[in-house]
Amino acid sequence: DAGVIQSPRHEVTEMGQEVTLRCKPISGHDYLFWYRQTMMQGLELLVYFNNKAVMDDSGMPKDRFSAKMPNASFSTLKIQPSEPRDSAVYFCASSQDRTSGGRETQYFGPGTRLLVL
Amino acid sequence: GQQVMQIPQYQHVQEGEDFTTYCNSSTTLSNIQWYKQRPGGHPVFLIQLVKSGEVKKQKRLTFQFGEAKKNSSLHITATQTTDVGTYFCAGRRSYNTDKLIFGTGTRLQVFP
Repeated sequence: DAGVIQSPRHEVTEMGQEVTLRCKPISGHDYLFWYRQTMMQGLELLVYFNNKAVMDDSGMPKDRFSAKMPNASFSTLKIQPSEPRDSAVYFCASSQDRTSGGRETQYFGPGTRLLVL
Repeated sequence: GQQVMQIPQYQHVQEGEDFTTYCNSSTTLSNIQWYKQRPGGHPVFLIQLVKSGEVKKQKRLTFQFGEAKKNSSLHITATQTTDVGTYFCAGRRSYNTDKLIFGTGTRLQVFP
């Protein structure tokens, strides 16, 4: 298995521009998580999906961030408009459904390093 | 804000010395997981503890889950340069949520 795939790996953009981050979870995993990591705030959960439905997006700034999962193998995290404070590493992770006997290990992708100038 | 704190924030050790990081939650956790993140890398799952007072070992790593299920520790015996990285604990507040709360992390540096 290729693991969780994220693109792009690096993104440099100017303030005000739209940024779209992409994630392909491990095949068969029902859960998908989007995290943001910064030195100041550490690893924060932005939003997570179960079977393509948003389960919790309380960590996501709703005014500029949006997350979608149109199918089981693809998710996007969009920032519009981007701001310098959005500069961070964004990780996508996926896991099996623990309630049906799956392991609840979260498998992280390599991350997208975003710099907003 | 963060409600799962880890201490110390940083630790520098000489290769061969032992290392311990402590994880403390303000609320009871249904489980605790530990992840390791190498510099420039992504978090990688190490282990999960579920039972009160549980102790698990992986070679030189020993993991404990506190009796009250509010704290945990990771101990590394005889550190090696390959142990370098940041160690995170993470836990769920209840069985009914899939949301993991990550600790603040402990960055370990090992000098040869």
